[in-house]
This record gives sequence, C-alpha cells and structure tokens, in this order.
Amino acid sequence: DTAVSQTPKYLVTQMGNDKSIKCEQNLGHDTMYWYKQDSKKFLKIMFSYNNKELIINETVPNRFSPKSPDKAHLNLHINSLELGDSAVYFCASSRGNIQYFGAGTRLSVL
Amino acid sequence: AQSVTQLGSHVSVSEGALVLLRCNYSSSVPPYLFWYVQYPNQGLQLLLKYTSAATLVKGINGFEAEFKKSETSFHLTKPSAHMSDAAEYFCAVSENNQGGKLIFGQGTELSVKP
Repeated sequence: DTAVSQTPKYLVTQMGNDKSIKCEQNLGHDTMYWYKQDSKKFLKIMFSYNNKELIINETVPNRFSPKSPDKAHLNLHINSLELGDSAVYFCASSRGNIQYFGAGTRLSVL
Repeated sequence: AQSVTQLGSHVSVSEGALVLLRCNYSSSVPPYLFWYVQYPNQGLQLLLKYTSAATLVKGINGFEAEFKKSETSFHLTKPSAHMSDAAEYFCAVSENNQGGKLIFGQGTELSVKP
C-alpha cells in the first residue's frame, strides 16, 4: 500500500479554473505538508498542518487554500488558476523530522 | 534564517567512479540535515539524515555523508557509482527535531555514464 498518495497524478486545466488536489497518508502521522516544485526543480514549502491545525503558511497567494478534514488527509484547493501555478505539487507527512513524500501532482495551466 | 546551497546543478560521473555531491548550509541553531533523492517522475525518498548523533552518517544504497561544522558542509558521497544512481539529489535543512518545514537546496542532477 502506498504510504502517501496524491490524486490526480496529472492535471491539465485552463487559466481561471478552480481545481483540487487530494492527499492521503496511511502512516498514522500527525503532520502533513504541501510543497511546490517549480520548473527548475526548486522545492518550497507552502503549508503544514498538525492534527488538522494549520501551523505553517508560507507566502502563498490567497487563491491557495488547504483543507484537512482529518489528520490523514490534506487537500489543496486552488482558485482562479494562473499560468505561474504550473508546477509539481508534493504532499508529505511526518512524525518527528523525517518526511515521507507522495509521488506528486503535475499541474499544467494552459 | 536557514538556507542550503548545493554546488553544481549537474554532476556527471562514470559507472564505478566516486560520487561527490556538495552541500553547504547556513543555520543559526544546530541544524538537522537531510539528503533526499528524486527519481524521474517520482516523489522524494530519504537517503540519510544527520541529527547530531554521529558526524558520519550512512544511508541507503551505499551513500554516506559527513557533517563538518567548521566548514558548514554536509557533502554526499558514494565510493562507486551505479547506473541506477542517476537521479536528482536534494540537500535539506530543518531547524528542529519535531517536524517543521524543510528548506531545500537547488538540487543536483547526477548522470552516470556507462
């Protein structure tokens, strides 16, 4: 069974649309994260939740809204998509300081 | 603020040769340091981590890294490269042992020639 799973794996959409990416972990971890990897492969933290509570919110546009219905799930909703949102989005979870990553969602905004 | 610099965005070695990927960090507190590997179209996988127990850290797939405080470095090495080592490697730093964000370097793409 996949430890951290993200859906969808690929997402192609038009500018201005709203889309969601889902993440689930079956590791029993309390903390989950969203990272963005740009076209130059640079990885940057976006959000972190601990036990459904937001603990890290980097400088991310308000169009991005994370939601954690329970500690095993952390979804990312993006409103009014822009060309610059094209990237690979990684979900991760951790207990202690080791983070386990999902396979990523490649978002292409046309 | 913490930061990580990886020297060389692309390293190419021959199969069987030594692999050396460089990482320097900046941190105002004792750092927790990590190396992750990303194979094409996959997520990141932990290779090894430094958490102050020992300066020489052994990881998976024959990789190891040495923490040198005086040089603020945490370089990754492997004595003999294998074709399957071709991937993107990321050095990362965290400021605490209880989770929190990882600050990543820019990544180094390792190519292995036959």
